[in-house]
Amino acid sequence: NAGVTQTPKFQVLKTGQSMTLQCAQDMNHEYMSWYRQDPGMGLRLIHYSVGAGITDQGEVPNGYNVSRSTTEDFPLRLLSAAPSQTSVYFCASSYTGIKRGELFFGEGSRLTVL
Amino acid sequence: EDQVTQSPEALRLQEGESSSLNCSYTVSGLRGLFWYRQDPGKGPEFLFTLYSAGEEKEKERLKATLTKKESFLHITAPKPEDSATYLCAVQEQRGANNLFFGTGTRLTVIP
Repeated sequence: NAGVTQTPKFQVLKTGQSMTLQCAQDMNHEYMSWYRQDPGMGLRLIHYSVGAGITDQGEVPNGYNVSRSTTEDFPLRLLSAAPSQTSVYFCASSYTGIKRGELFFGEGSRLTVL
Repeated sequence: EDQVTQSPEALRLQEGESSSLNCSYTVSGLRGLFWYRQDPGKGPEFLFTLYSAGEEKEKERLKATLTKKESFLHITAPKPEDSATYLCAVQEQRGANNLFFGTGTRLTVIP
């Protein structure tokens, strides 16, 4: 099983550019989410989805868009990159219900915005 | 206000030297508390879920415990391969779609 797959692993952008981070899972999980991890801060939730066609905002959604057209895929779009979005981004998925907090994470996408 | 605080930030142990990591939390109603392990350059890996005070979970050299205000991750006779950052996260009864993560404890076990 591949689990949660994120691409790209590394990306450098210039301020104002847009891009999409891809996330796919093969575990038939209904719940998918995007977190960012910054030095000295805990993982923070950007957006999440509880199923195809359903998305909602997390703690730090500004500057990011998501969509969920299939159960497997949950891409994260940066609309106009800013240096403050330099971070490591993790996609995570889980079952719904009582096991929602038992997240399966991808290996991360390391983004630098110049 | 921080909801999850982990201590210490970093811990160096000799191989075989047991110790504990602390996770204190402030939430109005706890749905679950989770421990994860994160290796450098990797995503976090789920270890344990604790739901109520008094609960304990064990896996190899690790044991997690929970009280009404904090959780401990006890590491017994650690080995170098236990070196990693250990993350604690809490899930509230309301807003259960989000986990609030601590900043982690970076554990180094020296052979």
